[in-house]
Amino acid sequence: AQSVTQLGSHVSVSEGALVLLRCNYSSSVPPYLFWYVQYPNQGLQLLLKYTTGATLVKGINGFEAEFKKSETSFHLTKPSAHMSDAAEYFCAVTPLRAGSYQLTFGKGTKLSVIP
Amino acid sequence: NAGVTQTPKFQVLKTGQSMTLQCAQDMNHNSMYWYRQDPGMGLRLIYYSASEGTTDKGEVPNGYNVSRLNKREFSLRLESAAPSQTSVYFCASSETGVEQYFGPGTRLTVT
Repeated sequence: AQSVTQLGSHVSVSEGALVLLRCNYSSSVPPYLFWYVQYPNQGLQLLLKYTTGATLVKGINGFEAEFKKSETSFHLTKPSAHMSDAAEYFCAVTPLRAGSYQLTFGKGTKLSVIP
Repeated sequence: NAGVTQTPKFQVLKTGQSMTLQCAQDMNHNSMYWYRQDPGMGLRLIYYSASEGTTDKGEVPNGYNVSRLNKREFSLRLESAAPSQTSVYFCASSETGVEQYFGPGTRLTVT
């Protein structure tokens, strides 16, 4: 079984400041890891994913995340926040195993950007 | 490509009424999914279909049924709606069963 914990249901940053959204996971097998973004009244959009290989992954809109196996973490960062980054962000995990189709999501972190 | 489409966008039901939420994808994906999203709960999987002709329960299947009509379409049915089913429902599809693409959602209120 796998689970995802996102620290902080609500994070506020100033425009231009560093964005750091935390995600820790548990998985009995090596995982695939994802970050999704949801803008108000919209569906979820894939921001970035880690499957295998390089542990630092880059996504859309200047976001990146680093897979740290020893810390079971996959934190999302962006060097400089823009107003357009205000949204809800979800971390998700699925086991790296053939035939497994279920994503487990965290409860989400709502990011506010203060002008 | 329209991607994943869902109908209706909004729906209000009375307790005990039934309805079907429709989902279609035009990406020729094998797998399709139904989630519900509740405040502070993230997304929870209701049912999924790994391939045409198969369906399986997810985390919260009680009170729901699904039909994988063909490769494109996956419907979710509420036979007797309850206020606890007030939620936003998302359909998703995936080619590999890993990376999922989401529809815009259906906002359902049961009174």
